[in-house]
Amino acid sequence: AQSVTQLGSHVSVSEGALVLLRCNYSSSVPPYLFWYVQYPNQGLQLLLKYTTGATLVKGINGFEAEFKKSETSFHLTKPSAHMSDAAEYFCAVSEGRTGFQKLVFGTGTRLLVSP
Amino acid sequence: NAGVTQTPKFQVLKTGQSMTLQCAQDMNHNSMYWYRQDPGMGLRLIYYSASEGTTDKGEVPNGYNVSRLNKREFSLRLESAAPSQTSVYFCASSWDRGHNQPQHFGDGTRLSIL
Repeated sequence: AQSVTQLGSHVSVSEGALVLLRCNYSSSVPPYLFWYVQYPNQGLQLLLKYTTGATLVKGINGFEAEFKKSETSFHLTKPSAHMSDAAEYFCAVSEGRTGFQKLVFGTGTRLLVSP
Repeated sequence: NAGVTQTPKFQVLKTGQSMTLQCAQDMNHNSMYWYRQDPGMGLRLIYYSASEGTTDKGEVPNGYNVSRLNKREFSLRLESAAPSQTSVYFCASSWDRGHNQPQHFGDGTRLSIL
């Protein structure tokens, strides 16, 4: 079965600093990978996704992620943090190549941004 | 611009009571899902519906039932609520069963069982 590991349940950065949220996955087949963001008292919103093709994926709000097959990683980055980026971030992998899409989620990383 | 709408937003139940969580989407999506979110555990799939007329168990189906009423609506029922079912419940939908299709989420139902 596929799984996702997010290193660090909390990450703190200063406004303007680099944001790096780590995600590693395990999969026996080429994965489809997603990053979602959750603001307080809201549902999850898609930030970006990797399916096939270019390994550097750009998403909304200046975020991007790079798929590295050799490292089984899909880390999320943003060059300069903004206060509005404070939220919880979830990495997810699509389970299986046939049949129905089921997403397996990581346990989430809460991003704290200080002035 | 509604997307996925969940009702109610909050609910408190006593152990043994029953209730139904409602979910509706207006994006003409074929597939719908129910998740629960617990601290430190991410989201876990309870049930899903690949298309109208079909439902299947996910990772944690015990204690729940679902109904895909029509293409728009997918409800989750707790027949006899237990404190372990205290959680935040999210409904989601996607265009189809494709593995590259993103899921769109509602704002959740916060359920407490005393």
